[in-house]
Amino acid sequence: DAGVIQSPRHEVTEMGQEVTLRCKPISGHNSLFWYRQTMMRGLELLIYFNNNVPIDDSGMPEDRFSAKMPNASFSTLKIQPSEPRDSAVYFCASTFCGHTFGSGTRLTVV
Amino acid sequence: GNSVTQMEGPVTLSEEAFLTINCTYTATGYPSLFWYVQYPGEGLQLLLKATKADDKGSNKGFEATYRKETTSFHLEKGSVQVSDSAVYFCALNAGGYNKLIFGAGTRLAVHP
Repeated sequence: DAGVIQSPRHEVTEMGQEVTLRCKPISGHNSLFWYRQTMMRGLELLIYFNNNVPIDDSGMPEDRFSAKMPNASFSTLKIQPSEPRDSAVYFCASTFCGHTFGSGTRLTVV
Repeated sequence: GNSVTQMEGPVTLSEEAFLTINCTYTATGYPSLFWYVQYPGEGLQLLLKATKADDKGSNKGFEATYRKETTSFHLEKGSVQVSDSAVYFCALNAGGYNKLIFGAGTRLAVHP
């Protein structure tokens, strides 16, 4: 099993641009979580899905953030427009009985 | 509500020293408890878990025992190595949908 696959690994973008982060969960895992990690705020849960349905998006910081899970094998996290304070490492995790994390996307907004 | 409290880091040890990282929790019901480890530049990896009181999780020389009476799940290792340098997160399963509540993380630095 290839594990949870995130892309891209690194993203550098200019303020105001749209950013799309991608995640492929492990086949058979029915829950998917998006996290953001920064030195200042630590690990924050943004949103999670169960069976492709968003369950709780209360961690999404602003309306600029949106997430979708169109099918069981793919999810996206979009930031539009991006701002420098969005710079962080974004992790996706899928779970069956405990989280399996992807390697993360390091986003830098300049 | 549910919460996890970990000892603050960084924890700095010499190689072969004994390690304890404290973790206490507040939860309704009987959650499962986890330790995750994050090496530099990587995502979190499950290190060990325990699903009920008095269970002991173990992996790679690390151990933690689920103590219901003290609501604790302290991580221990008898002899740390430089390669154990990482950030360690304690977490509990908050019930529905396998959502996890994480502690703030404890950074461990092991020197030769």
